[in-house]
Order: sequence, then C-alpha cells, then structure tokens
Amino acid sequence: KQEVTQIPAALSVPEGENLVLNCSFTDSAIYNLQWFRQDPGKGLTSLLLIQSSQREQTSGRLNASLDKSSGRSTLYIAASQPGDSATYLCAVSGSGAGSYQLTFGKGTKLSVIP
Amino acid sequence: EADIYQTPRYLVIGTGKKITLECSQTMGHDKMYWYQQDPGMELHLIHYSYGVNSTEKGDLSSESTVSRIRTEHFPLTLESARPSHTSQYLCASSEWGGDSPVKTQYFGPGTRLLVL
Repeated sequence: KQEVTQIPAALSVPEGENLVLNCSFTDSAIYNLQWFRQDPGKGLTSLLLIQSSQREQTSGRLNASLDKSSGRSTLYIAASQPGDSATYLCAVSGSGAGSYQLTFGKGTKLSVIP
Repeated sequence: EADIYQTPRYLVIGTGKKITLECSQTMGHDKMYWYQQDPGMELHLIHYSYGVNSTEKGDLSSESTVSRIRTEHFPLTLESARPSHTSQYLCASSEWGGDSPVKTQYFGPGTRLLVL
C-alpha cells in the first residue's frame, strides 16, 4: 500500500528566505506526483504536477523535483513571502488500475514571518 | 479559478439525522471525487465517479453513499449521522484525461461536519 510522508510537519521561516519541503513515497510505481496548497477553511489548490517521466516542474517562485527511483520529491520556494503561509500537501497517483487515486501526505504547515 | 462549489460550508447536527452534502462543478468534468480529512491528517478518498451513473468506493471505508445523476452534481449522503462522522469533507473534479488518466484535480472549499 502506498504511503506518503512529508517532512517537516511544520516550518517557520523569515520572509525572503528560500526553503525546501520534502515528500517521500514508498511505492515508486507512480503515474504522477502533485503538490497542493491548502489554506485554512478552504479547499486545495494545485500548484505543480510532475509526470513520472519528468524530473521537475517550475511555476514562478516554485520548483518541484521528482526522483521516482528513490521515491522522493522536493518543493523549493524561492524568496518566501507571508502570503506563502499555508499547508503544502504532496500527493501521488498509482499506475495501472490505481491511477485514478491520489494518496496524500499529512502536509507541511509553513509560516512565513514578516 | 476552478468553479466547484460545496454546501453547506459548516454543519452541526444531532446523531441519527440524515444529511446530504452538496457538490457542484461547472467545468464539465467527467470525474468527481469525495475525500475525508481529519485535522492534521491525510485526505482519504471515500468515493469517486467516472461520469453519470458511475459511482465507486475509495480506499477508506465510509458509511456514506453518493449518486451521479447529472455530470455537474455529486451529492454525498449520510442516512444516520454519528459522532464518528465528524470530519471535513472535500469534493474534487478532474477531466477524464485519455492516455493520462490522472489530470489535475480541482477542489471545492469543503464542508466541516460536526455530529453531536
């Protein structure tokens, strides 16, 4: 059964710092990996989706990498801002019959201090 | 901006009541999903649908039921609410995807349910 772990569970940084969030998964047979952002009282917003054949995706100040063979992904946030404060979730989709399902980690709660 | 809506946003109800959580999307997506999330915990898939008249159970066992009579509408029903059903319920939708079966999922704002 796929398991997704995110480290650290919480992170507090001063504004302007670059930071890395980590995600690991136990079964490397994934179709893709997604990073989401969840704000309190709101749903999830998709940030980046990396197909299993890709190694990274970039969107603005965000860069996500994927090392499928080692079961790891990182989300790099450059020049952090207070508006980046949220919980960041990593999710993987299985291959084959399970490809419709996303398995989520518990998330990393990020606080960016002005 | 994704157009997926959930009502109610918050619900406090007594044990034994029947409740229906509404979810609607205006994007014409074939696939829709229901997730359950407890505070500080992972999202778990409880139901999904490939399209009209299609409903399947997810990984997490749930006493709830769903229906998909219209493409845009995917309601979740609890026939008899219990305190153990207290949680946040998130609805999502995505395109079919063809050769890429998992497209980005768009999430609604969620319904926070408290059963007393």
